[in-house]
Amino acid sequence: SAVISQKPSRDICQRGTSLTIQCQVDSQVTMMFWYRQQPGQSLTLIATANQGSEATYESGFVIDKFPISRPNLTFSTLTVSNMSPEDSSIYLCSGTGQLKETQYFGPGTRLLVL
Amino acid sequence: ILNVEQSPQSLHVQEGDSTNFTCSFPSSNFYALHWYRWETAKSPEALFVMTLNGDEKKKGRISATLNTKEGYSYLYIKGSQPEDSATYLCAFNTGTASKLTFGTGTRLQVTL
Repeated sequence: SAVISQKPSRDICQRGTSLTIQCQVDSQVTMMFWYRQQPGQSLTLIATANQGSEATYESGFVIDKFPISRPNLTFSTLTVSNMSPEDSSIYLCSGTGQLKETQYFGPGTRLLVL
Repeated sequence: ILNVEQSPQSLHVQEGDSTNFTCSFPSSNFYALHWYRWETAKSPEALFVMTLNGDEKKKGRISATLNTKEGYSYLYIKGSQPEDSATYLCAFNTGTASKLTFGTGTRLQVTL
């Protein structure tokens, strides 16, 4: 299994600012992902964080809004740029070894944008 | 667009009651079905990964079944305890690079 930590655990931000969320895994994982859960909605995949190259974004998400880095196999960051109140969500990172294996999640970052 | 549906949306039971939830998913391009338990301010906890039609898995008082032909999975909790209170999520994997599509979850509250 993998233990995943995230920083910060929560934040309150002003609109127009940016926040970078860090995700650290205690062991090497093949794949890392970023999800968000808006109020009342399901967990939705934002992007796959690729080591040493540009992330792969899902439909509706773009790099300019959600730049992602993954410099090595155990660390990734997600930046929420030029925030608006609609970005208020829980942001989670996850990691997995191989296909069909358990995907482990961090505890989430609770973001409120005023 | 993949659609994963869970029912009921919320459930309130008494301690000792047994309960079950449903997860419906597309039956085509099935690869795996995941169940998670998510308590507030904690990481979603992986319960089961199920891949074969007819799979049945058990972890303590919690068990799950899988029907890939008709596209549903059931999660059962026997003798509910207050510590079982959480949101239970199912997630569907088509095999495309491990990406998961989640349902909106079933929020369970167990009271004494």
